[in-house]
Amino acid sequence: DQQVKQNSPSLSVQEGRISILNCDYTNSMFDYFLWYKKYPAEGPTFLISISSIKDKNEDGRFTVFLNKSAKHLSLHIVPSQPGDSAVYFCAASFGGATNKLIFGTGTLLAVQP
Amino acid sequence: KAGVTQTPRYLIKTRGQQVTLSCSPISGHRSVSWYQQTPGQGLQFLFEYFSETQRNKGNFPGRFSGRQFSNSRSEMNVSTLELGDSALYLCASSLMTGGYGYTFGSGTRLTVV
Repeated sequence: DQQVKQNSPSLSVQEGRISILNCDYTNSMFDYFLWYKKYPAEGPTFLISISSIKDKNEDGRFTVFLNKSAKHLSLHIVPSQPGDSAVYFCAASFGGATNKLIFGTGTLLAVQP
Repeated sequence: KAGVTQTPRYLIKTRGQQVTLSCSPISGHRSVSWYQQTPGQGLQFLFEYFSETQRNKGNFPGRFSGRQFSNSRSEMNVSTLELGDSALYLCASSLMTGGYGYTFGSGTRLTVV
């Protein structure tokens, strides 16, 4: 049972345009959401997060939106750069006394120069 | 400061053998979590250790086990290897527990032949 889903395995965007990566979840008990970026042969790198009490969080070119009623979150990258080309994973947490994260299957973003 | 160190980086084993992977967390970090990454499955949670105690365990068979030492270093062991165990095994550390994200190592690529 995949509690966190990234339905788009890949996305291609032109440099300078907006990249929108989507993520859906099924468990309403999740209270914290994170995005990680992963380059080949490296471990995932934390990008941005959002608490379930918020609906938006911004960090430079990266913005994460959370729609709790739709159980949907998205990551916006504006403007997209070739160096953003990587696999992006969304993850969800129950918080509390555990560090267990539930990850989606990832979306491969390719930013074309 | 040094990041999360995983050794070895690559490993080839034969079916039926056992393997031990090592993870040294960031200095001062007390929580270590392990994940398995396979194509199409994303990152799947194996287990989490905090102060030498297993705090949480994922849905993996008993062939997968782990431990954490007093210096927070962690090992995971897989016995009676199967072809399906071929994967990238990632270790992540954080200062505390609570599901708010952590720092990943570059992983150990295990190939079972």
